[in-house]
Amino acid sequence: DAGVIQSPRHEVTEMGQEVTLRCKPISGHDYLFWYRQTMMRGLELLIYFNNNVPIDDSGMPEDRFSAKMPNASFSTLKIQPSEPRDSAVYFCASTEGQGRDYGQFFGPGTRLTVL
Amino acid sequence: GIQVEQSPPDLILQEGANSTLRCNFSDSVNNLQWFHQNPWGQLINLFYIPSGTKQNGRLSATTVATERYSLLYISSSQTTDSGVYFCAVDQGGSEKLVFGKGMKLTVNP
Repeated sequence: DAGVIQSPRHEVTEMGQEVTLRCKPISGHDYLFWYRQTMMRGLELLIYFNNNVPIDDSGMPEDRFSAKMPNASFSTLKIQPSEPRDSAVYFCASTEGQGRDYGQFFGPGTRLTVL
Repeated sequence: GIQVEQSPPDLILQEGANSTLRCNFSDSVNNLQWFHQNPWGQLINLFYIPSGTKQNGRLSATTVATERYSLLYISSSQTTDSGVYFCAVDQGGSEKLVFGKGMKLTVNP
């Protein structure tokens, strides 16, 4: 398997623009997670899905952030409108359900810069 | 919520040295993972180890769940071991991982 795939790898945008980050989880994994990493706050969980259904979005910072998972192989994280404080590395991760023995696997991340 | 503390925060080694990284957590957990974030930013899953001991090459990990700590051992360190090591735990059956602040390891040739 190719692992968790994220796109784009780098995104530079201007304040106020819409940003869409994309993720393809490992095939067969039924949990998908979106994390954000910043120097100030470290790694934070934003939202996670189980079987395409959002389970916990308590980490989503505000209404400007939204996430969807239309099918088992694709998820998006959207920021609209973007702000400079959203600059961070956004990771997607996936894992199998109960009974696994290997935890979460992370994608390469998307480095977002909002000017 | 659960607290995750890692020590030491930074470590500098010469190639070939051994090291032990510690992770303390404040409550019982169902999941504990160790990750390595390499200098390119990639987060690599090292161990899924809610309890017991596992080994993978020069790396091994032990979690003593009853005492709420985990140790990551790196033997015969190499420059490629440099990066940040994270411990992460879930709480109470939730799939949510809470990460420690990380430990920066620098291995010099």
